[in-house]
Amino acid sequence: DAGITQSPRYKITETGRQVTLMCHQTWSHSYMFWYRQDLGHGLRLIYYSAAADITDKGEVPDGYVVSRSKTENFPLTLESATRSQTSVYFCASSAGQFRHEQYFGPGTRLTVT
Amino acid sequence: AQKVTQAQTEISVVEKEDVTLDCVYETRDTTYYLFWYKQPPSGELVFLIRRNSFDEQNEISGRYSWNFQKSTSSFNFTITASQVVDSAVYFCALRRTYNTDKLIFGTGTRLQVFP
Repeated sequence: DAGITQSPRYKITETGRQVTLMCHQTWSHSYMFWYRQDLGHGLRLIYYSAAADITDKGEVPDGYVVSRSKTENFPLTLESATRSQTSVYFCASSAGQFRHEQYFGPGTRLTVT
Repeated sequence: AQKVTQAQTEISVVEKEDVTLDCVYETRDTTYYLFWYKQPPSGELVFLIRRNSFDEQNEISGRYSWNFQKSTSSFNFTITASQVVDSAVYFCALRRTYNTDKLIFGTGTRLQVFP
């Protein structure tokens, strides 16, 4: 099925554990993004990628790592999860820069206990 | 600095009422893009509209309309004859055309439409 998917949809993990959130898109969009959504903050950009093997920090990158070895995949890793990383994480993709809208995945609700 | 302000945290209306969601943005760029997204209770983010800074024409799509006024840095969204299915959180966002590709989101307005 075409589109942008995220897995898992829900995850509970313990403080200090490493966890990876997956994002996959089938449109061959060059740009991909990771956002977190927290009450009162809207959506904030964590990392983005302009193409395979090209990534850059967003507004709140600390504690996160990304990679993009293939155009269609953009995993987000929390190296050592903290309670402050409890959030809803959205992956998005865009066909190009600037004028192109971003299409969002369904989100992953992560709880760090 | 780039910023998007959605001053209305929550709005409640009764079905068939018209409702306007406000969006005020700040940017020093001369070229930029503005977006509206809808987030229904199911949680996904749905793209509604994109507008570039050179196009100040208002746009209408069914019951939805958008009023872009560069002079007041506003990009307001009106739903005419609201329906229960319009209940959602609506986000306004700004995107620059250089230096970064990120969307700068407002904090959202929660719209509740009661039958």
